[in-house]
Amino acid sequence: EPEVTQTPSHQVTQMGQEVILRCVPISNHLYFYWYRQILGQKVEFLVSFYNNEISEKSEIFDDQFSVERPDGSNFTLKIRSTKLEDSAMYFCASRFPGGTNTEAFFGQGTRLTVV
Amino acid sequence: SQQGEEDPQALSIQEGENATMNCSYKTSINNLQWYRQNSGRGLVHLILIRSNEREKHSGRLRVTLDTSKKSSSLLITASRAADTASYFCATVLTSGSARQLTFGSGTQLTVLP
Repeated sequence: EPEVTQTPSHQVTQMGQEVILRCVPISNHLYFYWYRQILGQKVEFLVSFYNNEISEKSEIFDDQFSVERPDGSNFTLKIRSTKLEDSAMYFCASRFPGGTNTEAFFGQGTRLTVV
Repeated sequence: SQQGEEDPQALSIQEGENATMNCSYKTSINNLQWYRQNSGRGLVHLILIRSNEREKHSGRLRVTLDTSKKSSSLLITASRAADTASYFCATVLTSGSARQLTFGSGTQLTVLP
């Protein structure tokens, strides 16, 4: 069964460093998303990407964040200068554009720890 | 309260019993989805119910949707220890072009063997 894969599974970084989280969405999907989940809190939407551009973003997704689809398969989230409060589980998701009623498939997540 | 609030926050039952979790939301939706998350792991899609549907079944899962009350329930019948996980409802709003999900806070279900 096709799945969304994320690497690495766990990343530890020092405050102020740049990190890139990687995702390989399901191959025939066209909508891509990043969500995050701070420990013990709800899953929050960060950004959606369609047709090689950001389609929507939340207020969390400030200038420190960027997304890119550098080739036909990868989808990355970059955090330019990490803060302690960026520590969270980051989930990538993709969706097939079958109208409004199709589910999103999530990866296993990358646990980011900023020290 | 926020879009997508589950009730109860935590539920503990014996294996074989049924588990019912509720979700309330505030704004108009296209659909509502339920996801499951094992501790520290990814989100697994369970079931999607459209705004014009009232009930849906999938195996041991039964989901209802009442758009007049802006609420949904997830029933897991004949629960097993392996059902222990957090369960989240997530709504897709009618506004928003990207159809992103708005998640609730989740219900932590513990099924005791």
